[in-house]
Amino acid sequence: ETGVTQSPTHLIKTRGQQVTLRCSSQSGHNTVSWYQQALGQGPQFIFQYYREEENGRGNFPPRFSGLQFPNYSSELNVNALELDDSALYLCASSSTGGQSYEQYFGPGTRLTVT
Amino acid sequence: GQQLNQSPQSMFIQEGEDVSMNCTSSSIFNTWLWYKQEPGEGPVLLIALYKAGELTSNGRLTAQFGITRKDSFLNISASIPSDVGIYFCAGGNYGGSQGNLIFGKGTKLSVKP
Repeated sequence: ETGVTQSPTHLIKTRGQQVTLRCSSQSGHNTVSWYQQALGQGPQFIFQYYREEENGRGNFPPRFSGLQFPNYSSELNVNALELDDSALYLCASSSTGGQSYEQYFGPGTRLTVT
Repeated sequence: GQQLNQSPQSMFIQEGEDVSMNCTSSSIFNTWLWYKQEPGEGPVLLIALYKAGELTSNGRLTAQFGITRKDSFLNISASIPSDVGIYFCAGGNYGGSQGNLIFGKGTKLSVKP
């Protein structure tokens, strides 16, 4: 069974730039959730994708957007990067939309905005 | 954003000791999860709880879903050095259209051999 994978592992961007992060869900899972984890904090929910549509969103501005593809993989896009966007971005996969809370996380992408 | 209250924030214990940590919320949840995160990695699911009052074990770990549905507890028995990491609680309400988990700030566990 293949676990959740994320790419890239880390990257450095400049304020104002745009970034795309990628996630492949665990085999058998059809739902992907994205979280932002600032240093010393717990993960904060950004949004969830199920059946290629957004299935819930946390308190994040519209410049955070996402996609889910037919193979259930997903992308997180962040436009107009700000210094506060520096964080670990985690992807988690699960099955059956909002019906299951057993979410399995990938290793994360460490984003640094300078 | 909303976060659950976890305590203690950190613990320094001797190998072999038992550990207890807890998590409280102002809102009720119908699901409580406990995760462990090690440096440079994503959180790993340890235990999932789905019923108020439920007590579930996973090896040396035991977690309980509080009867008020606003709290949960995690115990680790006979700690070993590989228990080192940050333990997060997370609450959720499955069955709705949203699939978000609300996390605590974590309890950092250090184990002295």
